[in-house]
Amino acid sequence: QKEVEQNSGPLSVPEGAIASLNCTYSDRGSQSFFWYRQYSGKSPELIMSIYSNGDKEDGRFTAQLNKASQYVSLLIRDSQPSDSATYLCAVINYKLIFGSGTRLLVRP
Amino acid sequence: DVKVTQSSRYLVKRTGEKVFLECVQDMDHENMFWYRQDPGLGLRLIYFSYDVKMKEKGDIPEGYSVSREKKERFSLILESASTNQTSMYLCASSFGPKGTEAFFGQGTRLTVV
Repeated sequence: QKEVEQNSGPLSVPEGAIASLNCTYSDRGSQSFFWYRQYSGKSPELIMSIYSNGDKEDGRFTAQLNKASQYVSLLIRDSQPSDSATYLCAVINYKLIFGSGTRLLVRP
Repeated sequence: DVKVTQSSRYLVKRTGEKVFLECVQDMDHENMFWYRQDPGLGLRLIYFSYDVKMKEKGDIPEGYSVSREKKERFSLILESASTNQTSMYLCASSFGPKGTEAFFGQGTRLTVV
C-alpha cells in the first residue's frame, strides 16, 4: 500500500464548476498535510496547508482533513482554465511524502 | 520570499560519471529534501536532512549519497551515474523541528547517456 494515494485522473470539469480532489494516507501518526499545484515542466507550488481536523478556506480553495478516516481533500470553487495542472497531496510523518498527483483539466 | 536554488536547470552526463547536484536555500531552514520525479511515479524521496551534517535515507536512496556541511546547502551525489537515474531532480527546504510547508527549487533535468 502506498503511503499517500491519489487518483491519477484526469479529472475534467467545466469552467466555473467545483473541482474536488481527494487523497488518503496510511500512517495514522501523520501530523501535517499539504496541497501543491504543479504545472507541466515546473516545480510544485504550495497552495494549502492543514494541520487539524475540519475545513480551511483560502480564496477559491478549501482543504478538508479527516484524521479518523485518514482522508484529505481539496475543493476548488469557480474553476478556471488556469487551474489546469497536477495537484499533489503531501503528508509529514517524520518525512515529507507525496502522492503521485491528480491531473485536473478545466474546460473553457 | 523563500528562495531555493538548484545549481543547474539541465545537465547531461555520461554513464559512470560522478555527478553533483547542488541546492542552496536562503531562509535559514533546518530541513532539506531531495526528490526525483518520473512520469506516473510522482515525487519519490531520495534523502533528507534535519540539520547540518545529519542525513536520513528516504524511499529510494540506492545509488545516491548526500552531503550537508552548511545549513544552507544540501548536495546530492550520484556516485556512478547510470541511465536509470535519468530524471527530474527536485530540492526542497522547510522550517521547524519536523518541517512545515516545503518550498521547492526550480528542478534539475538530468540525462545520463
